[in-house]
Amino acid sequence: GAGVSQSPSNKVTEKGKDVELRCDPISGHTALYWYRQSLGQGLEFLIYFQGNSAPDKSGLPSDRFSAERTGGSVSTLTIQRTQQEDSAVYLCASSPFGTKETQYFGPGTRLLVL
Amino acid sequence: QQQVKQSPQSLIVQKGGISIINCAYENTAFDYFPWYQQFPGKGPALLIAIRPDVSEKKEGRFTISFNKSAKQFSLHIMDSQPGDSATYFCAASITGNQFYFGTGTSLTVIP
Repeated sequence: GAGVSQSPSNKVTEKGKDVELRCDPISGHTALYWYRQSLGQGLEFLIYFQGNSAPDKSGLPSDRFSAERTGGSVSTLTIQRTQQEDSAVYLCASSPFGTKETQYFGPGTRLLVL
Repeated sequence: QQQVKQSPQSLIVQKGGISIINCAYENTAFDYFPWYQQFPGKGPALLIAIRPDVSEKKEGRFTISFNKSAKQFSLHIMDSQPGDSATYFCAASITGNQFYFGTGTSLTVIP
């Protein structure tokens, strides 16, 4: 079966431009998570969705970051007016029943802001 | 503030040796402790997980040891193999919605 997919796999953008990162979770998984992984760093939690609602947005680093999920499936992470410090790998994960279950990670989107 | 502290940052082990990675936490409300393995260019994958009602869990060559009173847990890789070379992350979560990850340990197993 298909795992979590993310697109694009790589994105190079210029400082100040907006970017959209997409996550397709495993079919039927109700929980979806976004993380940021900077070079040599751990995983930084960004936001969590249960269904279409986001009960925890506490990890979003600034108001330039936003995310939405539609139809309980696909999620989009948008970064407005990108900065060089936004360069990182953005990982998406999904799980079937919530936070105590296994999180299945996608391969990530590697974002480079020039 | 780092909710989960992981050490060492990097580890080099001879083939056949034991790899040990340690994590510590402060929040006693954490009730689920997974370990993830990540190969270059890939997303992390769940390796093994433990809940605080047991002190040890073993799956093949991988063992989690959990010390609730010390608020520490560790991953032991027995008979380490070159194919185990990867980055390992510990994590912790509480009922709710957020996982907290350690900063990762880069393991290199020398043939």
